[in-house]
Amino acid sequence: GENVEQHPSTLSVQEGDSAVIKCTYSDSASNYFPWYKQELGKGPQLIIDIRSNVGEKKDQRIAVTLNKTAKHFSLHITETQPEDSAVYFCAASKADSSYKLIFGSGTRLLVRP
Amino acid sequence: DAMVIQNPRYQVTQFGKPVTLSCSQTLNHNVMYWYQQKSSQAPKLLFHYYDKDFNNEADTPDNFQSRRPNTSFCFLDIRSPGLGDAAMYLCATSFGTVQETQYFGPGTRLLVL
Repeated sequence: GENVEQHPSTLSVQEGDSAVIKCTYSDSASNYFPWYKQELGKGPQLIIDIRSNVGEKKDQRIAVTLNKTAKHFSLHITETQPEDSAVYFCAASKADSSYKLIFGSGTRLLVRP
Repeated sequence: DAMVIQNPRYQVTQFGKPVTLSCSQTLNHNVMYWYQQKSSQAPKLLFHYYDKDFNNEADTPDNFQSRRPNTSFCFLDIRSPGLGDAAMYLCATSFGTVQETQYFGPGTRLLVL
């Protein structure tokens, strides 16, 4: 079955620096890749997603890139702020069982003021 | 605002005592999901409803049941909670299942004494 690996497990950056989180998936049939941000004691919130017909997507300080050949996708956060501190999860799904999101193991991001 | 609501936010139960968690949504979405999330782990899908059609994950223990009496509400019943069932339980919704965004509620943290 599909497996999603996420790295790093923890990431500490200085406020204003960029943060990059990487995920690799195993099933080449996967074609939808959302990213969720989960703050302490809250449910995951979708921050950006990408589909396999697109290589890059941006939303203000957040961008996601997808390399289908290598089967990996990355989250980029620029000009980090303390409120970006949270756990970030990548996920993947495919069209034949697309209700099911396969999550990565999560990255705890700490932005130091 | 349209949203996914979970009650209670914190639930304490005794070992073996049945407990019910509730989820409601004002998004009028067709699909409702229940996830279990243990500390520092990714959410794990237990089951989902597409309208009234129930779909159980193969590895979901029989101890976990669900009911969806109408479009807006979905319940998670844990028949005989064990210490290992202590976790955050997340409800999510989506309009459909084909690569649709899943919207998560704030979660219910369950403590088993």
